[in-house]
Amino acid sequence: DIQMTQSPSSLSASVGDRVTITCQASQGIRNDLGWYQQKPGKAPKRLIYAASSLQSGLPSRFSGSGSGTEFTLTISSLQPEDFATYYCLQHNSYPLTFGGGTKVEIK
Amino acid sequence: QVQLVESGGGVVQPGRSLRLSCAASGLSFTTYTMHWVRQAPGMGLEWVSVISYNGRFQDYADSVKGRFTISRDNSKNTLDLQMNSLRGDDTAVYYCASSYNFGDSFDYWGQGALVTVSS
Repeated sequence: DIQMTQSPSSLSASVGDRVTITCQASQGIRNDLGWYQQKPGKAPKRLIYAASSLQSGLPSRFSGSGSGTEFTLTISSLQPEDFATYYCLQHNSYPLTFGGGTKVEIK
Repeated sequence: QVQLVESGGGVVQPGRSLRLSCAASGLSFTTYTMHWVRQAPGMGLEWVSVISYNGRFQDYADSVKGRFTISRDNSKNTLDLQMNSLRGDDTAVYYCASSYNFGDSFDYWGQGALVTVSS
């Protein structure tokens, strides 16, 4: 099984800050990675697919990069509605696996 | 717009069975791969099972293999998860989710159904 190591597990940031979250795969997964945002009591929502493609309708402050084993989600200027938990998902091979999550909290 | 609506959650005793359903609308259901994903209280996301667009291929997480069965009815646009021999660690919110192809990430999600396994 492919393990996804996500860091940090939590962070505190202020509105306007640049935030970076990383996921490392235990083996190469090409660009078969998505990023999801989840708010309390809600279903996850896809932000990024194919490692770097922004989901339609979402603001351009969200971006993804990486390929192979190292991936990054960047929020260029954190907004109040961005405080949430973020997960990466590898879909290169089954079983599909998620990173452990990053909780972004208000500083 | 796309809607995935889960039903069938509830409280069940350990060792008993429960069946979840997911009703899909607003998407070409017969062409989508479908999944179940769960989230234990206060925990992260765990992929549970997948079924191909035509129902011919299924796969399961090791944690549920042999106990859970995924199925779909393309004539009714529904997805099911039959859960047998339930255990306490199966307690979670269960989401159905879609992916355009078998090797794609999840694009649409349902709102989730809570399953609580407790005596």
